[in-house]
Amino acid sequence: EVQLVESGGGLVQPGGSLRLSCVASGFTFSSYTMGWVRHIPGKGLEWVSCIIKGSNSIYYADSVKGRFTISRDNVKNSLYLQMNSLRDDDTAVYYCVRDQWLAYWGQGTLVAVSS
Amino acid sequence: DIQMTQSPSSLSASVGDRVTITCRASQAIRNDLGWYQQKPGKAPKRLIYAASSLQIEAPSRFSGSGSGTEFTLTISSLQPEDFATYYCLQHNTFPYTFGQGTKLEIK
Repeated sequence: EVQLVESGGGLVQPGGSLRLSCVASGFTFSSYTMGWVRHIPGKGLEWVSCIIKGSNSIYYADSVKGRFTISRDNVKNSLYLQMNSLRDDDTAVYYCVRDQWLAYWGQGTLVAVSS
Repeated sequence: DIQMTQSPSSLSASVGDRVTITCRASQAIRNDLGWYQQKPGKAPKRLIYAASSLQIEAPSRFSGSGSGTEFTLTISSLQPEDFATYYCLQHNTFPYTFGQGTKLEIK
């Protein structure tokens, strides 16, 4: 069974940093593209970033480019999202997703940016 | 970036109704489109992939169609558990983009 478990969310002040983690199980992690999607309260879903299997090519939404960094550790079966210079409008539930078709989602971790 | 225009933004319907939700892409995306269902406080679930293929766990009352720029999600006979928010997603070109969502409510 595919499982994606996120952690690392919390309350942070504007301008602060946070690192999200996602531990994967039930599949061969290194064989899949992985990514992050967020759900902004009262609004919709926003694709954030992904890291392509093999080539490790990386893509970001314009709204996070230059502030967020995605990475992976294929030994630890883990995906990360380093979030710097956080803003109020980064407040959201962040989901870890598997593959470029977003077939599987984690349960999400809440990031709240507020002073 | 490719814009996904989803309509309607909200919809009231009754159990047993047939409903259709539409997504229009600002440029052609072949069939690189998925449909997702999200219930409050839960992670989204994929219902349809490649525009018209049913996710194995999804009920057969859900169907998708379209290619290029026009796509539809149809629920043939609404069930109580179908009241949720639905999103389309294009995964043809980075950055991927979602439609604005359709909130399906009980009439």
